[in-house]
Amino acid sequence: GEDVEQSLFLSVREGDSSVINCTYTDSSSTYLYWYKQEPGAGLQLLTYIFSNMDMKQDQRLTVLLNKKDKHLSLRIADTQTGDSAIYFCAERNSGGYNKLIFGAGTRLAVHP
Amino acid sequence: KAGVTQTPRYLIKTRGQQVTLSCSPISGHRSVSWYQQTPGQGLQFLFEYFSETQRNKGNFPGRFSGRQFSNSRSEMNVSTLELGDSALYLCASSAGQGGYTFGSGTRLTVV
Repeated sequence: GEDVEQSLFLSVREGDSSVINCTYTDSSSTYLYWYKQEPGAGLQLLTYIFSNMDMKQDQRLTVLLNKKDKHLSLRIADTQTGDSAIYFCAERNSGGYNKLIFGAGTRLAVHP
Repeated sequence: KAGVTQTPRYLIKTRGQQVTLSCSPISGHRSVSWYQQTPGQGLQFLFEYFSETQRNKGNFPGRFSGRQFSNSRSEMNVSTLELGDSALYLCASSAGQGGYTFGSGTRLTVV
């Protein structure tokens, strides 16, 4: 089946690193994504990783993919108050065309 | 490069009415997909269009329909609106591989 799971809430101190975790069920997913959503806004694509990669780094963001455990994580270094938002993990469904399966989202709260 | 443009941003409709939402993808992107976001169900796939053809459809009733024009702009239509159709409707465009860029969404309220 298709399912993506995330923890619902994460609270970190400003300047610390944040790690948001995600598990998925479709072992043949081709791409996995991280999106950010601020209040009243659409989804902002942060980064994505192809399924044959283990890691991808983009400035403060590091994505780790463990295909064996079907586990994806997003690490945000030096977390700032502007990083407070909801973060969605998504997998690209392998069985159809261009269909994303989203997790429920992790609300990241950054406090001083 | 202009992003994905969705119009209108906000809509208030009455039960039983119909509504049409519009999405203009990034120039050169031929794939447009639609998602519904609600607090209860989260983000759910509605349908995807490529070169004016619907390639994939989510598990929504037939009241939800869409189309794509030759310039890749897409519209989705919801007929006989129900209170439960109140949601943020998001459109995403893609060049085929890799990332999907979303618009700011249309927030539909059905009263």
